[in-house]
Amino acid sequence: GQQVMQIPQYQHVQEGEDFTTYCNSSTTLSNIQWYKQRPGGHPVFLIQLVKSGEVKKQKRLTFQFGEAKKNSSLHITATQTTDVGTYFCAIGANTDKLIFGTGTRLQVFP
Amino acid sequence: NAGVTQTPKFQVLKTGQSMTLQCAQDMNHEYMSWYRQDPGMGLRLIHYSVGAGITDQGEVPNGYNVSRSTTEDFPLRLLSAAPSQTSVYFCASSYLVGQGHEQYFGPGTRLTVT
Repeated sequence: GQQVMQIPQYQHVQEGEDFTTYCNSSTTLSNIQWYKQRPGGHPVFLIQLVKSGEVKKQKRLTFQFGEAKKNSSLHITATQTTDVGTYFCAIGANTDKLIFGTGTRLQVFP
Repeated sequence: NAGVTQTPKFQVLKTGQSMTLQCAQDMNHEYMSWYRQDPGMGLRLIHYSVGAGITDQGEVPNGYNVSRSTTEDFPLRLLSAAPSQTSVYFCASSYLVGQGHEQYFGPGTRLTVT
């Protein structure tokens, strides 16, 4: 079945440093979604990217969709302790299925 | 709106026991799905439904059954619990079918099978 690779698995940063997580697919994607899960919580939708080369920003978060629509990234500028959690990308395996990446767990040290 | 609700929050089962994890949503969403989350494995799709009366298998369906008799409810049944089914289970729903639409997740059920 369709799979998505997400790297890195873990990232520890000092507060104020930047953070980036990447998702890569072997096939062209129609769209990609990003979710955040706080420790002990449930995944919460952040954004969806649809267009080739699309870039969207939410405050300190920047989301990019690759030109070939096979990869995506989430970049956080100047991390804060509130950014702690696991970030997942999710892709459509077909019309009906949503498949999640393995996630990147971010730890921010004050 | 309560959103997506799941019961119970925690459950301990003995090997071989059966149980049903409940999921309900009050947003009139057509699409509902079940995921399990294990450390380092991300979220894996168990079963999903595109509407009442319609269900299909996800990535890891073995050992689980689902039904969708109403739009609101999507219970997940463990037929004969095994220690490998120890996990956190999340139910999710969205307005329209599958990928391409924001998924709303419930708070999860933490299941331990001994």
